[in-house]
Amino acid sequence: DTEVTQTPKHLVMGMTNKKSLKCEQHMGHRAMYWYKQKAKKPPELMFVYSYEKLSINESVPSRFSPECPNSSLLNLHLHALQPEDSALYLCASSPPRGGYTFGSGTRLTVV
Amino acid sequence: QKEVEQNSGPLSVPEGAIASLNCTYSDRGSQSFFWYRQYSGKSPELIMSIYSNGDKEDGRFTAQLNKASQYVSLLIRDSQPSDSATYLCAVVEGQGAQKLVFGQGTRLTINP
Repeated sequence: DTEVTQTPKHLVMGMTNKKSLKCEQHMGHRAMYWYKQKAKKPPELMFVYSYEKLSINESVPSRFSPECPNSSLLNLHLHALQPEDSALYLCASSPPRGGYTFGSGTRLTVV
Repeated sequence: QKEVEQNSGPLSVPEGAIASLNCTYSDRGSQSFFWYRQYSGKSPELIMSIYSNGDKEDGRFTAQLNKASQYVSLLIRDSQPSDSATYLCAVVEGQGAQKLVFGQGTRLTINP
């Protein structure tokens, strides 16, 4: 299995809603990531988990809350988002030295 | 903030020609370098990785790395219309770090 699976593919949520994005990989990678990508911009790193522990938080607002329940799963909990948070949210995983494999992403729209 | 710089393009190349994409980076400690291809509305797809100075070839793609000049390039031979996409240069910052930083991307169009 060489894939990173993200669900849902599309999500529309109101500013008062709570939702979660999910990510799963079975490649045995111990590093997992959340990236955010706005239109016509490169992906921007949000969080890094290494061996299920949060190792990097790129000063992301607390309305985004990551969670790594086990070595295969990564969640991103969303609460009280703003319209400017609308973007493509990408999950990735990587071996210790190697290319990052990205999931297909969740396209999030905040209304 | 370490930087990765690319010419944003657009770069237009006739079908069958060689497309040349360039990238510079600022972190001298970087050891891992990648090229991703991203079609509109899709997620980035890894097409090349390179870790040592010199050339690395994979099919129609050749990645070139020069650590002294802090320069990475991607050559696409026999360009096809299906190669039309945005190409993202990405660099892992520092040694031991796990922060993959992307350049702005170069939009490449292959004209039939």
